[in-house]
Amino acid sequence: AQSVTQLGSHVSVSEGALVLLRCNYSSSVPPYLFWYVQYPNQGLQLLLKYTSAATLVKGINGFEAEFKKSETSFHLTKPSAHMSDAAEYFCAVSGRGDGGFKTIFGAGTRLFVKA
Amino acid sequence: DAGVTQSPTHLIKTRGQQVTLRCSPISGHKSVSWYQQVLGQGPQFIFQYYEKEERGRGNFPDRFSARQFPNYSSELNVNALLLGDSALYLCASSLQSGDQYFGPGTRLTVL
Repeated sequence: AQSVTQLGSHVSVSEGALVLLRCNYSSSVPPYLFWYVQYPNQGLQLLLKYTSAATLVKGINGFEAEFKKSETSFHLTKPSAHMSDAAEYFCAVSGRGDGGFKTIFGAGTRLFVKA
Repeated sequence: DAGVTQSPTHLIKTRGQQVTLRCSPISGHKSVSWYQQVLGQGPQFIFQYYEKEERGRGNFPDRFSARQFPNYSSELNVNALLLGDSALYLCASSLQSGDQYFGPGTRLTVL
């Protein structure tokens, strides 16, 4: 069975500060891992993905994430937050399990950026 | 190229009614997935279709059904609506099981 846990439903940082959004996963098969961003009243946009290549994955808008198998983690980071980064962020795991192929999302972390 | 489109944008129904939501994938994409996103929560996987065949199903009751057409567009049907079905319904398309591109969603309100 697959699952995703996002630690912290809300994270607040100052503009220019480091962004760290935490994600831990559980998967019985090698996972595909993703981070998505959702702005108010919009659909989800893919930030980055891990598909068993490099463990450090770079995405759009300066975000990156590191896959750590030993810690079953896939935390999202950005060195310097911008006001435009304020949004909801979702970690997701995809793979084949009970019921076929599916993508499981975490509950989300809302990022607030203070001026 | 056009992204994933969904219709309608908003929908209001009453309990017990039936609803059909529509999704058109990105041109060339043969896989469509449906998700339910209740306010304040992450998307919950409902179905995945690839080449008109169901490839994955989430933990939703039989009131939820879907199909994919020869042009790869898809419909999600929900029967006997409950108040708890009120949510944003998201459609995502992909080439097969690769990167998913999401549409803007259909906001369903059940009164």
